[in-house]
Amino acid sequence: GAGVSQSPSNKVTEKGKDVELRCDPISGHTALYWYRQSLGQGLEFLIYFQGNSAPDKSGLPSDRFSAERTGGSVSTLTIQRTQQEDSAVYLCASSLGNGSPETQYFGPGTRLLVL
Amino acid sequence: AQSVTQLGSHVSVSEGALVLLRCNYSSSVPPYLFWYVQYPNKGLQLLLKYTSAATLVKGINGFEAEFKKSETSFHLTKPSAHMSDAAEYFCAVSPGGGNKLVFGAGTILRVKS
Repeated sequence: GAGVSQSPSNKVTEKGKDVELRCDPISGHTALYWYRQSLGQGLEFLIYFQGNSAPDKSGLPSDRFSAERTGGSVSTLTIQRTQQEDSAVYLCASSLGNGSPETQYFGPGTRLLVL
Repeated sequence: AQSVTQLGSHVSVSEGALVLLRCNYSSSVPPYLFWYVQYPNKGLQLLLKYTSAATLVKGINGFEAEFKKSETSFHLTKPSAHMSDAAEYFCAVSPGGGNKLVFGAGTILRVKS
């Protein structure tokens, strides 16, 4: 079946602009995660959605970062007033959400470059 | 705070040789541990996971890992490397059974012919 999809695959933006990154999880998965993969920082957790519960935002690096998940499916990660240090690959993952620990299935990522 | 340390950012082995990728964790509660692989320009794929059942865990593509509590280690091994194993490998911990993963820095495996 279809895996996790992310769009766009690549995004180049100018410093100070806002960007939106999209994630389509695997159908039926109620848990959704965002991670960031950057040189020097490795893979970092950003935010976690589980069903209708309040999201775990503990990994968001600043208030310029936000995410929402509409209808329990598609998620959008928004970065406002982008900075060069935001350049990274943003990975989305989803899981069934019915137990712990769960296997997280990752999308191919969005490569963001802030000039 | 829980963390994962992967010794060696780059490992190089000959085709057919043993693969050993090291992972040590720190966790104040019983952890769940994972190994993921990332092929070039691809997403992360789960190789195997430890969930407090058998300490020797077998995964896909002939990989296995052994949980050693006394050494706080979860090293990944494969008896015979194949060219297709060349990728970056990440060890991760899910402390206390939560779903937020904490990743190590990754180890790039190179397989020489």
